[in-house]
Amino acid sequence: QLQLQESGPGLVKPSETLSLTCTVSGGSISSSSYYWGWIRQPPGKGLEWIGSIYYSGSTYYNPSLKSRVTISVDTSKNQFSLKLSSVTAADTAVYYCARLDSTTLDAFDIWGQGTMVTVSS
Amino acid sequence: SYELTQPPSVSVSPGQTARITCSGDALPKQYAYWYQQKPGQAPVLVIYKDSERPSGIPERFSGSSSGTTVTLTISGVQAEDEADYYCQSADSSGTYRDVVFGGGTKLTVL
Repeated sequence: QLQLQESGPGLVKPSETLSLTCTVSGGSISSSSYYWGWIRQPPGKGLEWIGSIYYSGSTYYNPSLKSRVTISVDTSKNQFSLKLSSVTAADTAVYYCARLDSTTLDAFDIWGQGTMVTVSS
Repeated sequence: SYELTQPPSVSVSPGQTARITCSGDALPKQYAYWYQQKPGQAPVLVIYKDSERPSGIPERFSGSSSGTTVTLTISGVQAEDEADYYCQSADSSGTYRDVVFGGGTKLTVL
């Protein structure tokens, strides 16, 4: 059964770069049927899509975050990663990675458990 | 930027029917998806492509679409259905680009 696991620092200083990795287990990140995405949720607030990536490296970003976001994929490690630069307290959130089934469901069907990232000095 | 609008809260008694709406200008052209999120847990997909139910989701969950509004209906609501519900769609062709989430609706089972 496919699983996703986020990893990375839980505390990031303001103005620095937030870096997270999502490890995919139980399946291949290189499948042509899926995209891979990052979604975040500030405490007590709703979900916000950050961006998505295909195994080939094609990326799609939320326009409101595009200038600060980089999503990359490492097929050899079955991982994809998120970098968010120049962070502020507003970037404090639970960060989820998720699989987007682009064939049948056309939706985020498998999610990681999420990782809390706090931006504070 | 494109927005999806949901009511902040809906309350219903056990056994009754809950209806949660989501409005957006692109919904006549784009599919909508619904996620259930319980406290401290990751979201779970409950409806895809407006009205399709993923494997394992109870039949009491259904979805419909009419014009610029989509609706998640939970028939015979149970206490375990108390959660936040989010609609999701896209601003252009392809769900993998321009993904948008609604603000979420808290379903309270009285």
